[in-house]
Amino acid sequence: KQEVTQIPAALSVPEGENLVLNCSFTDSAIYNLQWFRQDPGKGLTSLLLIQSSQREQTSGRLNASLDKSSGRSTLYIAASQPGDSATYLCAVSMTTDSWGKLQFGAGTQVVVTP
Amino acid sequence: DTAVSQTPKYLVTQMGNDKSIKCEQNLGHDTMYWYKQDSKKFLKIMFSYNNKELIINETVPNRFSPKSPDKAHLNLHINSLELGDSAVYFCASSQGTGGARGYTFGSGTRLTVV
Repeated sequence: KQEVTQIPAALSVPEGENLVLNCSFTDSAIYNLQWFRQDPGKGLTSLLLIQSSQREQTSGRLNASLDKSSGRSTLYIAASQPGDSATYLCAVSMTTDSWGKLQFGAGTQVVVTP
Repeated sequence: DTAVSQTPKYLVTQMGNDKSIKCEQNLGHDTMYWYKQDSKKFLKIMFSYNNKELIINETVPNRFSPKSPDKAHLNLHINSLELGDSAVYFCASSQGTGGARGYTFGSGTRLTVV
């Protein structure tokens, strides 16, 4: 059974510092991994999608890496801003599940202080 | 233009009532999902429909009945609401069942049963 873990559960950094968020999964037979952002009272915003054959994806200040064999993904956010404050979720879909359901971690709550 | 829209955004109701949540996507996706986020913030899949056909039903009580009148709509009807049904319900969509191009989520419906 796939288990997705995100560490740390919460993180507070001063503005300008780089953020490093970790996601680990127990079953490496993933189809893809997606990072989302959730703002309080709002829905999920997709940040980056990494296919199982890829090692990393980049979008602006965001970079996500994937090491499938070790069951890990890391989301880097460069030069953090107060607007980056949110909960970040990672989710995987499995090759053994053709129906594409996502399995989520519990998230990392990030606070960036001015 | 909202890609995945849910109504209502908030729903407060008494135990024993029946309620519905509506979801519509204008992305042309052929697969839609319902996810539940409980008080511990874990997101778990409930149902998935592909081209109006039910493909995932994740051990959800029979009181929950999804209905997909067409590819763009997936509604969730809940009978005899219980206190434990209080949660945030998210609708999502993807193209294809594997979500190779990722998933798009709605903003959620916060259901409170009193």
